[in-house]
Amino acid sequence: EVQLVESGGAVVQPGGSLRLSCAASGFTFDDYAMNWVRQVPGKGLQWVALISWEGDGTSYADSVKGRFTISRDNSKNSVYLQMNDLRTEDTAVYYCGKDMSGGGYSSGCLDSWGQGTLVTVSS
Amino acid sequence: ETVLTQSPGTLSLSPGERATLSCRASQSVTSSYLAWYQQKPGQAPRLLIYGAFTRATGIPGRFSGSGSGTDFTLTISRLEPEDFAVYFCQQYGPSVFTFGPGTKVDFK
Repeated sequence: EVQLVESGGAVVQPGGSLRLSCAASGFTFDDYAMNWVRQVPGKGLQWVALISWEGDGTSYADSVKGRFTISRDNSKNSVYLQMNDLRTEDTAVYYCGKDMSGGGYSSGCLDSWGQGTLVTVSS
Repeated sequence: ETVLTQSPGTLSLSPGERATLSCRASQSVTSSYLAWYQQKPGQAPRLLIYGAFTRATGIPGRFSGSGSGTDFTLTISRLEPEDFAVYFCQQYGPSVFTFGPGTKVDFK
């Protein structure tokens, strides 16, 4: 069974930094691209970032480009999101999502999601 | 960036009724990269449909997807009590994902 467990959410001041982690199990982690998607409670979904299965390709939403960095450690079956220069509008639940198909850059959809970790940016 | 619009915002129906949810894109979307998700309160989204019309593993046959180009539809043939939730469409390309704002299916 695929399991994705996010951690690292916290309350942080504007301008601060935070690193989220997602621990994966139940599948061959280094075969799949991984993503971060966020959601303001009660609102819609916003894709944040994608990393290819090898880690050599990344994409970002314009709203986080230059501030957030996605990375992965295939030896630890983990994907990370380093968030710098945080803003109040970054407040959300952050989900880790697994790409549906192995290999390639992305199949275009996410077939497994974690339960999310809450990031609150507030002074 | 492709913008997705979903309608209606809320759909009030009774169990056993048919639900038809619309997703419209600001520009043509490759059908292979159009997906639908279901989300219930306090839960993560669940993949229902990918490639515009293919059901994900374990998804009941009452869920179906259709459409092409800029207009896509998710149909639930007969609503079960567990289907009352929020539904999001999503597209991918090039190298970015975008989600629609969602349609809430609630009890009439």
